[in-house]
Amino acid sequence: EVQLVESGGGLVQPGGSLRLSCAASGFTFSSYEMNWVRQAPGKGLEWVSYISSSGSTIYYADSVKGRFTISRDNAKNSLYLQMNSLRAEDTAVYYCARVAPSGDDAFDIWGQGTMVTVSS
Amino acid sequence: AIRITQSPSSLSASTGDRVTITCRASQGISSYLAWYQQKPGKAPKLLIYAASTLQSGVPSRFSGSGSGTDFTLTISCLQSEDFATYYCQQYYSYHRTFGQGTKVEIK
Repeated sequence: EVQLVESGGGLVQPGGSLRLSCAASGFTFSSYEMNWVRQAPGKGLEWVSYISSSGSTIYYADSVKGRFTISRDNAKNSLYLQMNSLRAEDTAVYYCARVAPSGDDAFDIWGQGTMVTVSS
Repeated sequence: AIRITQSPSSLSASTGDRVTITCRASQGISSYLAWYQQKPGKAPKLLIYAASTLQSGVPSRFSGSGSGTDFTLTISCLQSEDFATYYCQQYYSYHRTFGQGTKVEIK
């Protein structure tokens, strides 16, 4: 079964750090581009970051640029999001999402999400 | 960044109704648009990509149309399991952006 499972969320104080992980299974992870998307409580979806299959190309939303770092370990079938200098407005459910293999760039597989709460 | 304006933000409909949701991009995005369905507490699910291509396993009552700046998601005959929030997303730019969402509620 094709699956993505996020972990690493929790409660952190403003200014703190957290590292999210996304474990992939059921497909050849190293062949796929990946993304992080977040959703604040009761709000819509916000794209956070993109990484190419090799990890050589990376993009960030302006709201997290300079504070968040996306990375991947293809040998471990894992995607990561290092989050530093966290703010209250970073509170959200964080999803990892796979870019579809169809040659199109929609997100065809999503994890169940991990909750990050930034609060003192 | 490309802005996506989705409307309406919510709508009330009955089972069997035809429902239409629209998205407008701030610049032309060709057909690089997807539609997702999200139910409470769940991850989004891809319904349509390339503006009009149905994702495998998605019922044929869902359809998408449009290109350039104006796009439409249509549910031809609303079923009980379709009550959810729907989002469009552009992927013309690597800075992906989503519409604000449309909550489809039971009338």
